[in-house]
Amino acid sequence: GAGVSQSPSNKVTEKGKDVELRCDPISGHTALYWYRQSLGQGLEFLIYFQGNSAPDKSGLPSDRFSAERTGGSVSTLTIQRTQQEDSAVYLCASSLGPARTFTEAFFGQGTRLTVV
Amino acid sequence: KQEVTQIPAALSVPEGENLVLNCSFTDSAIYNLQWFRQDPGKGLTSLLLIQSSQREQTSGRLNASLDKSSGRSTLYIAASQPGDSATYLCAVSAAGNKLTFGGGTRVLVKP
Repeated sequence: GAGVSQSPSNKVTEKGKDVELRCDPISGHTALYWYRQSLGQGLEFLIYFQGNSAPDKSGLPSDRFSAERTGGSVSTLTIQRTQQEDSAVYLCASSLGPARTFTEAFFGQGTRLTVV
Repeated sequence: KQEVTQIPAALSVPEGENLVLNCSFTDSAIYNLQWFRQDPGKGLTSLLLIQSSQREQTSGRLNASLDKSSGRSTLYIAASQPGDSATYLCAVSAAGNKLTFGGGTRVLVKP
């Protein structure tokens, strides 16, 4: 596709349910990032994938959060047993290569998650 | 740990005035710095990328400078328009490759 695509655009879920958020990066981009933006807050790094390397999971806030990237393309962020504090906009970005190759990061439109 | 700060947090100017947005970072060992624009309820749109070896980058009415040694970048927007109203974010990338973001500057251009 022309840009980074995220689905769904909006998700309302009940507390305690599991949710899956999907990210389709730009074709050919090897780097993929997930960020979280809570209301009135800055962007919080969650996880980074680069090619076939082990992902950098250092930003995941708890073991309820996990992410995978299948075939080096599509990524899914899973939140288990959702809590109200998980309510936020989840943003995905991709770039042609890792940051040290000076490539630009492009973001999707985000998934707005509301836990009720 | 890299920290990125953007001051001011909010800025209001009359249409036609030039905008000056500041970004500072604590660790000068960066690969690049990127400026983004975010409209309410939307994702981030990339504006400019400055590599660590560059001093500035220009695109249309936008000009971004980088002084890596002092840990500063400035985004200039010439002849502001109401359509420039948005939140502007800067982000730096360094070892570890993740982008570290500032808190953003919310800009309002009044007609």
